[in-house]
Amino acid sequence: KAGVTQTPRYLIKTRGQQVTLSCSPISGHRSVSWYQQTPGQGLQFLFEYFSETQRNKGNFPGRFSGRQFSNSRSEMNVSTLELGDSALYLCASSPPTTGSILFFGPGTRLTVL
Amino acid sequence: AQKVTQAQTEISVVEKEDVTLDCVYETRDTTYYLFWYKQPPSGELVFLIRRNSFDEQNEISGRYSWNFQKSTSSFNFTITASQVVDSAVYFCALSGARMDSSYKLIFGSGTRLLVRP
Repeated sequence: KAGVTQTPRYLIKTRGQQVTLSCSPISGHRSVSWYQQTPGQGLQFLFEYFSETQRNKGNFPGRFSGRQFSNSRSEMNVSTLELGDSALYLCASSPPTTGSILFFGPGTRLTVL
Repeated sequence: AQKVTQAQTEISVVEKEDVTLDCVYETRDTTYYLFWYKQPPSGELVFLIRRNSFDEQNEISGRYSWNFQKSTSSFNFTITASQVVDSAVYFCALSGARMDSSYKLIFGSGTRLLVRP
């Protein structure tokens, strides 16, 4: 089985721009979660989608949004980028049962200049 | 509130030494899951183990072993006869068992392990 894939792997943007990151889950996995990793805050949960519905949301401003498509692929969008949004954004997919293992993709490293 | 504490920021050992990574957690849930992930320099988080709160049996997988003690809220990870390839950042994580918390992993701050030849 192919793993979780994320595109692009690297991205450089300037303040005020917006960005869209993409994630394709493992085949058969219907839950997709997003995490932000920064040196200062560590790994933080952004949101989780299941069957095109957002089920959980972390403590991030409204500039961070996401969506999931009918094929379980997911995108996250960050609008009006700030320097502090520079981070590794990790996507994870899992089977739809509680306590499931999250399988992570390689991440998208976003740099905001 | 849920919280995971990994007090060891960085550990450096010489190859073939045994090393234990500590993890202490806090939760009010009676059912929860504990995880360990490895993050090599490439950045991808690699799943190592999941433990259900009702299962306090220790587990061994090759050179890796895990000690889960509910009484002390700890889930420690030991690498026996460490190797250079074990160098990575290791994260302990906690999730609830309810649908609204199950997919939200609470991560510790990570322990960077450096194994020197």
